[in-house]
Amino acid sequence: DQQVKQNSPSLSVQEGRISILNCDYTNSMFDYFLWYKKYPAEGPTFLISISSIKDKNEDGRFTVFLNKSAKHLSLHIVPSQPGDSAVYFCAASVEGTYKYIFGTGTRLKVLA
Amino acid sequence: AAGVIQSPRHLIKEKRETATLKCYPIPRHDTVYWYQQGPGQDPQFLISFYEKMQSDKGSIPDRFSAQQFSDYHSELNMSSLELGDSALYFCASSLGLGVGEAFFGQGTRLTVV
Repeated sequence: DQQVKQNSPSLSVQEGRISILNCDYTNSMFDYFLWYKKYPAEGPTFLISISSIKDKNEDGRFTVFLNKSAKHLSLHIVPSQPGDSAVYFCAASVEGTYKYIFGTGTRLKVLA
Repeated sequence: AAGVIQSPRHLIKEKRETATLKCYPIPRHDTVYWYQQGPGQDPQFLISFYEKMQSDKGSIPDRFSAQQFSDYHSELNMSSLELGDSALYFCASSLGLGVGEAFFGQGTRLTVV
């Protein structure tokens, strides 16, 4: 039972354009969402997060949007850079619990 | 800044052997999480500890056990190793309550032969 889903296993985007990574969840109890970036053989690196009381959070080139009614969130990277090429994981948690549920990841490739 | 430290980085064990993975959280972090990532798979939650007590349990086999010590470091003990246990094992730490960023270590790559 995959509670957090990233339906696009891979995405290719031209440098300078916008990358949009999507994530859907099924558990309505989730109230905190995070995006992690992962390079091969390294641990996931935290990128940006959003609480369920917000619908948008922005940090530099990264913006996360949350649509609670649709149980959907997305990560926008503008402009995309070749160094952004990595696997991006969406994660969700319930406040007061001590686990993060990860999606299956989307491999982003930014073409120079 | 100090990050999450995992040791060893690489470990090769034979079937039916035992392995111990260690995790040193970021200073002042009181919550530790263990994840297992098999080849081509997403990280799967194993177990977590808050203030030295087990807090949540995921898909951790009975052959595995873990604990968090008084200095907040954690150890994952794996016994009767099987070929399918070969994976990257990540530890993460955060400052309590499951809200806020969890910071990950570099992982331990366990290979069971």
